[in-house]
Amino acid sequence: GNSVTQMEGPVTLSEEAFLTINCTYTATGYPSLFWYVQYPGEGLQLLLKATKADDKGSNKGFEATYRKETTSFHLEKGSVQVSDSAVYFCALEDGTYKYIFGTGTRLKVLA
Amino acid sequence: NAGVTQTPKFRVLKTGQSMTLLCAQDMNHEYMYWYRQDPGMGLRLIHYSVGEGTTAKGEVPDGYNVSRLKKQNFLLGLESAAPSQTSVYFCASGDGTTSGNTIYFGEGSWLTVV
Repeated sequence: GNSVTQMEGPVTLSEEAFLTINCTYTATGYPSLFWYVQYPGEGLQLLLKATKADDKGSNKGFEATYRKETTSFHLEKGSVQVSDSAVYFCALEDGTYKYIFGTGTRLKVLA
Repeated sequence: NAGVTQTPKFRVLKTGQSMTLLCAQDMNHEYMYWYRQDPGMGLRLIHYSVGEGTTAKGEVPDGYNVSRLKKQNFLLGLESAAPSQTSVYFCASGDGTTSGNTIYFGEGSWLTVV
């Protein structure tokens, strides 16, 4: 079946460091891909998304490119801030309006 | 600007008790979802609904029932709570008009079964 695999955390970085969180997927057809972010005590919020191969989603300095050849959607940010500390979830929508999530990666940014 | 609202936010149940979690959305969305979030396991889909009067099983439906009598509400019921159902429950909704639409989450309901 369809699935999402993302790197285990926690990831601990110093402020202004470069961030990469890896995400790969298994799916038939052409899923849409998402990154959601969860701040402590809150629900998930959409960070960015891409709906077809080679699309790049971006928001708040975060970027991810839909790579069909490597079935990946890695999240990157050039310079993280303390306020980026959160749990990040990679997800796919498989064309049947069901959304499948990875296990989440906790990011901690130190001042 | 409510979006998706879940009640209650926190609840402690004894094993064997029953309860209902209510999800309400004010965005006129067709699709609604219930997920549970457990450490190291991410979000797992319990049940979902593609419109008023419909429900379908997700990945982990056992021990739960749902109803969608009104378009804006999606209820999750636990008939006989078990400690394994201790979790954080999230409701979400989406308009389902095209593939790749964003789904919007509530703030979560923390349930402890003792």
